[in-house]
This record gives sequence, structure tokens and C-alpha cells, in this order.
Amino acid sequence: GAGVSQTPSNKVTEKGKYVELRCDPISGHTALYWYRQSLGQGPEFLIYFQGTGAADDSGLPNDRFFAVRPEGSVSTLKIQRTERGDSAVYLCASSLTAGMNTEAFFGQGTRLTVV
Amino acid sequence: QKEVEQDPGPLSVPEGAIVSLNCTYSNSAFQYFMWYRQYSRKGPELLMYTYSSGNKEDGRFTAQVDKSSKYISLFIRDSQPSDSATYLCAMGAYAGNNRKLIWGLGTSLAVNP
Repeated sequence: GAGVSQTPSNKVTEKGKYVELRCDPISGHTALYWYRQSLGQGPEFLIYFQGTGAADDSGLPNDRFFAVRPEGSVSTLKIQRTERGDSAVYLCASSLTAGMNTEAFFGQGTRLTVV
Repeated sequence: QKEVEQDPGPLSVPEGAIVSLNCTYSNSAFQYFMWYRQYSRKGPELLMYTYSSGNKEDGRFTAQVDKSSKYISLFIRDSQPSDSATYLCAMGAYAGNNRKLIWGLGTSLAVNP
């Protein structure tokens, strides 16, 4: 595909359930980022992958959040025991490298609603 | 106090006006400064990128960074209705493995025909 693809586009789940959010980056992009954007806020950094490894996971809010990128391409963000406060748009971005002047391209996001 | 402050607006201007958008920040380690545009229910898209202090121009857009004042600006000349969107500033220190961008709230802009 031409851009970053995120699925599902919308997800409604009950409090306490487990969810997985998927990100397909642009082919060949080695760096991948997850952000969370709440209504009326700017994106908040969660985690950054360089290849298969999480180079910086300092933004994950607690141990209910986990992300993987096992083959250095697709990434999955996993949230256990969801809480209403987890409701937000989860954005994924990828860039060709992790270089400081390399543009990151964002997907349209997954809108997660915890009821 | 947030690391990055941005007035959320909304800002409403007539077509053809010059628009000025601003952010202030507190972390002197920030070296990389970006402006993103975000349409409703879409991901942000990069408009302008600046390293350290100075000006950068691209078509109708000019980005300015004043590190001594910890203040960045985006100017849009000859604004068009298609410029109606939320504009977000983002910045980072990018030291070592740090690729974390810190974002402003975003300013909602409406350009009226």
C-alpha cells in the first residue's frame, strides 16, 4: 500500500477486555512509532521501534500496554484489562530510518472506545 | 506547566489572510521543530521541519524558530479554505535513542471563503 495502514479503524470494547491494534507501515520503513491522541489534545508518544526491537518504550503508561514488531514490519499494540481512560485515537507512524530529519508518515489511527 | 504550550483557538480568518500560529516551550534541549497539519479524522501530516534556530520557507508556508525565546511560529500566506485544519507543533531533542516528539494541543484554523 501507499501509506501506513491501521486496523481496525474503530474499536469499541468493554471495560476489562483485551484489545489488539495493528499497524502496517510503509514497505521498507525501519522505524515505527505509536502515539495516543485524546480528544482536543496533541499526540502523546508511547513507543518507538527500530527494526524488531523497541528502542524507546518510555511512553507506555503502565504494564497493561505492550507492543511488538516481530519481523520488523507489522506492529501490534496490545492493551490488557482496558479502562475507560484508555479511550483515544491510537496513531501509528513509520519512517524510512530513525534519522533526525527523516519524515514520519502517520496512519489514520484506530479510534478505541472503552465502555 | 506543559513542556509545549499552544493556543487551541479556534482561529477564523477570511480567505487570503496571513495566518500566524505559535508555540512556546520550556525544554532547552529541543533541537528539532516541526509543524503538522491534521484534518478531521486523519493522521497528522508534516508541513515544515526546522533544525535549531532560523527561518524556513516552503511555498506559502514559513516556519520560524527562536531558541533564545523558546518560541516557534508558522506563517501561512494567502490562506485558502483548504488550509482549514488543526495545526500542531511538535519538537524533540533526539539525543541517543530518543525519538520522542512532544506535541502542542493543536490550533484549529478555519479559512472562510
